[in-house]
Amino acid sequence: AQSVTQPDIHITVSEGASLELRCNYSYGATPYLFWYVQSPGQGLQLLLKYFSGDTLVQGIKGFEAEFKRSQSSFNLRKPSVHWSDAAEYFCAVGTSSNTGKLIFGQGTTLQVKP
Amino acid sequence: DSGVTQTPKHLITATGQRVTLRCSPRSGDLSVYWYQQSLDQGLQFLIQYYNGEERAKGNILERFSAQQFPDLHSELNLSSLELGDSALYFCASSVDLGQEQFFGPGTRLTVL
Repeated sequence: AQSVTQPDIHITVSEGASLELRCNYSYGATPYLFWYVQSPGQGLQLLLKYFSGDTLVQGIKGFEAEFKRSQSSFNLRKPSVHWSDAAEYFCAVGTSSNTGKLIFGQGTTLQVKP
Repeated sequence: DSGVTQTPKHLITATGQRVTLRCSPRSGDLSVYWYQQSLDQGLQFLIQYYNGEERAKGNILERFSAQQFPDLHSELNLSSLELGDSALYFCASSVDLGQEQFFGPGTRLTVL
């Protein structure tokens, strides 16, 4: 069965430090991969997506992610974190081009220290 | 603002009752998805409609049903509510199948 694992439930980084959030997926075919961010009391905002092609994808707010098929990973990175990046981050896999339903990881809560 | 609207924002009701959640997709989007977010289950896919027809079903209870109308808005009906149905319900839309989904702000349902 398809699944998404975000190993880190909670991460704390200092403002200005680099960030990497891990995501591993289990899926038989080439997946569609997404990262979403959810601020408290808000909906989910799409940060970036991978469908095919270049395995390093750029997103909004200075985020990027790299698809590594050999490791079944799609880790999210940012070179310098801002206090406004504090939120919950969800990795998701789209399981079929015929439906597009998403399977989400459990989320990683990012706390930013001043 | 994603362009997806959901009403109401908050809903408080009692066990055994029935409620309807409404979603308007982004202009031009044909596909609507419903997700449930709870502390114990995380974000779970419930059901998807594409251009008025049911396309995929996930972990949706038999007490729950949905439909998509000709103007493409969608409603999620929850009946015989139980305490465990308390959650945040999100609607998302996409222009076509397999494309990125844009999420609404959610409806927070509290069952007392």
